[in-house]
Formats: sequence, structure tokens, C-alpha cells
Amino acid sequence: GAVVSQHPSRVICKSGTSVKIECRSLDFQATTMFWYRQFPKQSLMLMATSNEGSKATYEQGVEKDKFLINHASLTLSTLTVTSAHPEDSSFYICSARDGREEYFGPGTRLTVT
Amino acid sequence: KNQVEQSPQSLIILEGKNCTLQCNYTVSPFSNLRWYKQDTGRGPVSLTIMTFSENTKSNGRYTATLDADTKQSSLHITASQLSDSASYICVVSGGGYNKLIFGAGTRLAVHP
Repeated sequence: GAVVSQHPSRVICKSGTSVKIECRSLDFQATTMFWYRQFPKQSLMLMATSNEGSKATYEQGVEKDKFLINHASLTLSTLTVTSAHPEDSSFYICSARDGREEYFGPGTRLTVT
Repeated sequence: KNQVEQSPQSLIILEGKNCTLQCNYTVSPFSNLRWYKQDTGRGPVSLTIMTFSENTKSNGRYTATLDADTKQSSLHITASQLSDSASYICVVSGGGYNKLIFGAGTRLAVHP
């Protein structure tokens, strides 16, 4: 099946710094990718829809200036958490849609100290 | 309101036993229903995907059913293995924007 990768798998950063997470579709092109956040023992919550060549669409309550999304190519979307705070610590997961199937990345564990 | 509800919230079974997880949804319009397995600290992996016209679909020891009239689905796991310990998430695609609407998941623990 299709593979979606994320990098890094884990990152620890200091409060106030910015962190970039990459999401790549390895064997298919994805005009649309999705970014989710997952807190412990909870299900995935959609943050934003990343559209290749255009602006991302953010879900209600998600600050677009804090979570910058760039979808510069058909195989790469990036999520930058700007001015990170401890409450941004979470598990971030991306996905890419190939037809009706949606493939999820392995996730990135972000810890802000 | 578009919602997906799963039960039970958590489940413990002995290795080799069978179990069934439930999913009820109120999503309209409905596009398809998916079951995902998510290991701790990993992204979800697709088990099955079913459209309106499909009543059952199998993937190895996993069998999903769908009753579109009652808006219910189940995931049956046969002859459980320790590696089946994970969260199982029911996801419905639809709601007018083809978004994925996630259930809260069932956390399954298989004990030896």
C-alpha cells in the first residue's frame, strides 16, 4: 500500500522556539494532505487541510498564524509550530489521500519544555 | 450533528479469544466507513473500508460489517493475538465535505 512518512518522529524543543514537521507521500502524488493532533487517550482531531499550491484550510479554533502549513509540492507538506508552548506538546499526524483511501503517517511526538 | 460513537471504550481479552467492537454513526450524507488500527505512538493503519452497498468485508482475522439502515458497524477479531493490542478507530467519511469523522476508539488489550 501507499506510504506516508513523517520527519522527525520525535522532537523536543524549548518554549518560544519554532519546530517544522515534514510529511511526504512516498509513492503517490497528493494534492491534499491533512494535519491532525492527538492528545493521550483521545482520537485524532483535524487541524487543517493542506492544498498543494494554495492556502491551507484551518479547522475552527486552530490558529493559522501559529500552525503554518506549506504544501509546496505534490509529495510534501510541512507544518511549522511557531513560538511553541508546553500546551502544544502533542502527537501530530499527517495523512494523504489517494483516491478514496487515506494513508496516515507514523506521527511526530512534539514535547515543548 | 455528525458523530461517530464506539463501544466499548476499552476491552481486555485473553489471547486466542474472539471479540467484537461496535460503531454507531449519525453522519449524513454518508460516503464510506473505515476501521483503522492504531498502535501506541504510531499512525493509524487501514483495516477495511466499506461503502453503502457493502455489508461485510474481511482482512485476515478482521471482519467488518455495515448496516447502513441502522447506521451501525462492527469489527470482529478472530483468534486474537498479542499483537492485536491497539486502539481501533471507526471513521466515517461524509458529512457533506467528504471529511473524516473519527470515533473515540476502542482500546483493546490482549493478554496471554
